[in-house]
Amino acid sequence: AIRITQSPSSLSASTGDRVTITCRASQGISSYLAWYQQKPGKAPKLLIYAASTLQSGVPSRFSGSGSGTDFTLTISCLQSEDFATYYCQQYYSFTTFGPGTKVDIK
Amino acid sequence: QVQLVESGGGLVKPGGSLRLSCAASGFTFSDYYMSWIRQAPGKGLEWVSYISSSGSTIYYADSVKGRFTISRDNAKNSLYLQMNSLRAEDTAVYYCARDNLGNWYFDLWGRGTLVTVSS
Repeated sequence: AIRITQSPSSLSASTGDRVTITCRASQGISSYLAWYQQKPGKAPKLLIYAASTLQSGVPSRFSGSGSGTDFTLTISCLQSEDFATYYCQQYYSFTTFGPGTKVDIK
Repeated sequence: QVQLVESGGGLVKPGGSLRLSCAASGFTFSDYYMSWIRQAPGKGLEWVSYISSSGSTIYYADSVKGRFTISRDNAKNSLYLQMNSLRAEDTAVYYCARDNLGNWYFDLWGRGTLVTVSS
């Protein structure tokens, strides 16, 4: 099974900061990677698929990059509503999710 | 309104059974592959099971294979998860999620239903 790691596991940031989260797959997964945002008590929300394609309705301050084994999610200018936990998901072979990165207020 | 609404969660004893339902509305349910995904309290996301649009193709995570059964009724716009031989480690919020046309990423999620397995 393909294993997914994320770093960092948590980070503290301020509104307006640029934030980068990294996702690494245990083997090459081409661009079969998605990113989700989850707020406490809510369902996950799809942000990005195919590593870099923004889901409809998602603000352009979110962007994704990478292919193969290494991927990043970048939030260019953190807003108050962006404090949440972020998960990456590989769907190259069945599917597995990363352990999550919690973004909280500094 | 495009939405998924889960129901059927609750408290069950180890070894017991439970059937979850997911009602879809606002889109053509029969066009979409669907999955169940769970989240243990304070933990990350774990994919549980997948069913194709017609129901002809089904997959399970190793952790639930042989104990859980996924099914769907396209006439009723509903997805189901029959859970048998439940264990404490099955305790989680269970989400149904719409698969983006067989691509294995999930563009619509329900709010989830909590299953607690405890004596």
